[in-house]
Amino acid sequence: QQQVKQSPQSLIVQKGGIPIINCAYENTAFDYFPWYQQFPGKGPALLIAIRPDVSEKKEGRFTISFNKSAKQFSLHIMDSQPGDSATYFCAATDLSWGKLQFGAGTQVVVTP
Amino acid sequence: DADVTQTPRNRITKTGKRIMLECSQTKGHDRMYWYRQDPGLGLRLIYYSFDVKDINKGEISDGYSVSRQAQAKFSLSLESAIPNQTALYFCATSEFGYGEQFFGPGTRLTVL
Repeated sequence: QQQVKQSPQSLIVQKGGIPIINCAYENTAFDYFPWYQQFPGKGPALLIAIRPDVSEKKEGRFTISFNKSAKQFSLHIMDSQPGDSATYFCAATDLSWGKLQFGAGTQVVVTP
Repeated sequence: DADVTQTPRNRITKTGKRIMLECSQTKGHDRMYWYRQDPGLGLRLIYYSFDVKDINKGEISDGYSVSRQAQAKFSLSLESAIPNQTALYFCATSEFGYGEQFFGPGTRLTVL
């Protein structure tokens, strides 16, 4: 039973579009919510992360929106580029615990 | 040189064979993890170790065992491989108190 539910499973957008990936969690003890990006043949790498004391975080073209009351968070990729084509995983953990719970992943394809 | 390395990168084996996957890191982190990745299931934790003398089961440890030979080395063994252990396996490391995990490049294991 996955503690972090991620949707959609896959997404195709045109260059310049804004793919949005959504995640939901149940455990209110979670206090760290990272997103990982994985390219084919590579291991996942941290893209951006948020703590529950803020509702939004931006790093370059990537934005996390966080809704603590709804126990949901999402990743927006602004002005998406073909190089953003990858699989994206949301995750959550209680930092005192140290184990990440991953979502199922979303394959994003950005067409030229 | 990569901070987290895994060997082998690809392995094909037969049902019933014993297989060892190795992970080494130069990041100096105490915490190490083994995950398996399956399409549509995301990354699932097999075992984790918070220091050399600490080994813990993850959510899918049945059929697997691990050995932490040193701070820098963490090996995963399949005592008697079966076809449903065909997957992509990742090793990761992290530092206490920090959420970011650093992943190796993965081992693609096929059990015939």
